[in-house]
Order: sequence, then C-alpha cells, then structure tokens
Amino acid sequence: SQQGEEDPQALSIQEGENATMNCSYKTSINNLQWYRQNSGRGLVHLILIRSNEREKHSGRLRVTLDTSKKSSSLLITASRAADTASYFCATDTGGSEKLVFGKGTKLTVNP
Amino acid sequence: DGGITQSPKYLFRKEGQNVTLSCEQNLNHDAMYWYRQDPGQGLRLIYYSQIVNDFQKGDIAEGYSVSREKKESFPLTVTSAQKNPTAFYLCASSWGQGLPEAFFGQGTRLTVV
Repeated sequence: SQQGEEDPQALSIQEGENATMNCSYKTSINNLQWYRQNSGRGLVHLILIRSNEREKHSGRLRVTLDTSKKSSSLLITASRAADTASYFCATDTGGSEKLVFGKGTKLTVNP
Repeated sequence: DGGITQSPKYLFRKEGQNVTLSCEQNLNHDAMYWYRQDPGQGLRLIYYSQIVNDFQKGDIAEGYSVSREKKESFPLTVTSAQKNPTAFYLCASSWGQGLPEAFFGQGTRLTVV
C-alpha cells in the first residue's frame, strides 16, 4: 500500500505563479521527503523534513509538516517552465529503512 | 563519479522468460531499493535491502526475486510468475541509519513482447 497521497493529481500554472502540492500519509513517520521526476527519468531528492520539524526552506522550496494532521505541503515560489515535472512525497517509519512513495502530483508550468 | 547505475535502459522479454535487471552503486550506501512505476502512477516498492545478505519484501513482491551478495549490487529478477511485468523499474540507494535521502538510477523500461 502507498503511504503518501499527493493532492492535486495534476496542476497547471503560469510562469511566475506559486505552486502548492499536498501530501497526506497514514501512519506515524520518522521523516518526510519530496522528490522530483522529469518524464522518463529517475527521481531527484529535493528536501527532507524530520518529524520534529514544522517548516523547512531550500531556495524557492518551502515544506511544511503537520504531524497531527499527517500531512505535508510543498510550495514552489516564482515557478519556472523548468519546474515542469512530477513531484512525489516519500515517508519512512521507525525500525526499518522502508521508503514508501505516494502517487505524485504532475506540475505543468506554462511559459 | 559516484552514482547509481541501472542497466539496460530498455529490455524486451518474451512471455514465460525470466529477466534480470542490474543495479550497481558506488556510493557505499547500505540500503538499496527496487520500485515499479506504471504509466502516470506513483512508485510501488518491490523489495528493499538494509544490509548485505538481507532483504525484505515490499508491497508488490510477488513474481520478483532479488539478491544482495555485495554491498554495491542489488539485481532484480522478473520471473515468469509476474503476469504483468511491462513497467518502468527504478533502483535507489541510501545511507540508511537515519539518513534516508535516496539516490535513484535512470530506470529500466521493461516490455513484454
């Protein structure tokens, strides 16, 4: 079963706008990560947030984590056409290295 | 260059054949993973390994087998028991031990002909 569920499934915006994607998960986690995938390629790690953190920034990325709601959001500010990709959240839980991904959000940034 | 390499990039299999997908990493990572991705879908975990000579089933292990005889290698065999093997297969590795950032290979696209 997939731990994370991203929302929306697809998002289309104009260059310069902000993009927000959400991830909900089912069980307690150690860490939550966000990855990006360009079509037909492997995934690239973007950012990791630990269960005791609430917010994290990296360049134009901002991630929040609400463990009480079992949810996270990824905000990409001032989007660019090159941000067009699928974005996935991934979670790991205590006791093992099992890393489980959600179904992803497909982001299209129109020039 | 350090990284994770999957081969081949494209693979064609006849029905009833077993095929093995290669995954090699020179990052000295302890943990390795195999995922399956179907068109427009997320990643589903097939198998993962936390250390050499040990591996665990993921969510969709039926019809697949793995080995972890060396730290740097984690080959995946798609057996004839896997009834719908056409998919994009991704291998990944991580340090594990509280450092879960995963590095991915470029994938192998398997097609049954």
